[in-house]
Amino acid sequence: EPEVTQTPSHQVTQMGQEVILRCVPISNHLYFYWYRQILGQKVEFLVSFYNNEISEKSEIFDDQFSVERPDGSNFTLKIRSTKLEDSAMYFCASRPVAGASYTFGSGTRLTVV
Amino acid sequence: GESVGLHLPTLSVQEGDNSIINCAYSNSASDYFIWYKQESGKGPQFIIDIRSNMDKRQGQRVTVLLNKTVKHLSLQIAATQPGDSAVYFCAENIPTGANSKLTFGKGITLSVRP
Repeated sequence: EPEVTQTPSHQVTQMGQEVILRCVPISNHLYFYWYRQILGQKVEFLVSFYNNEISEKSEIFDDQFSVERPDGSNFTLKIRSTKLEDSAMYFCASRPVAGASYTFGSGTRLTVV
Repeated sequence: GESVGLHLPTLSVQEGDNSIINCAYSNSASDYFIWYKQESGKGPQFIIDIRSNMDKRQGQRVTVLLNKTVKHLSLQIAATQPGDSAVYFCAENIPTGANSKLTFGKGITLSVRP
């Protein structure tokens, strides 16, 4: 069964450093998303992406965050200068068309120290 | 404001019993609803979904009920098994122009007693 693949599974970074979280959505999917989950809390929407542009972003997704689809397979989330409160699980998701089910990756655990 | 919430933080059931997990939502624009299961260290795993034009949908051992009048969603698991132990989230899908987004509830832990 096709999967959304995220790498790395766990990343530790120093506060103030830049991190790039990588995702490979399912190959025929057109809609892409990033969500995050702080430990013990609910999953929160960060950003949606379609047709090579951001569709919507949440209040969490400030100027320190950016997304890119640099080629036909990768979808990345960059945090320019990490803060302690960015520590969380980050999930990538994709769907083939509007109205279809979402498929989530297994997540990247980001730890900012 | 928009919110999706779960009534109980934990649910403990005897193996073989039926489980019912409830969820309230508040956004009347939501066009479909999903239940996810999350095991430790993993991403949300799709269980079952339901469109806003339906009130019931059945899967294998699971049933989702939607009551739009009171904005209530429930997940019923028949003959609960130890492998059902996990955190369960409800989520509502909110159309946003050309795309959409999911708003998740807080999650409830289902613990199955042997």
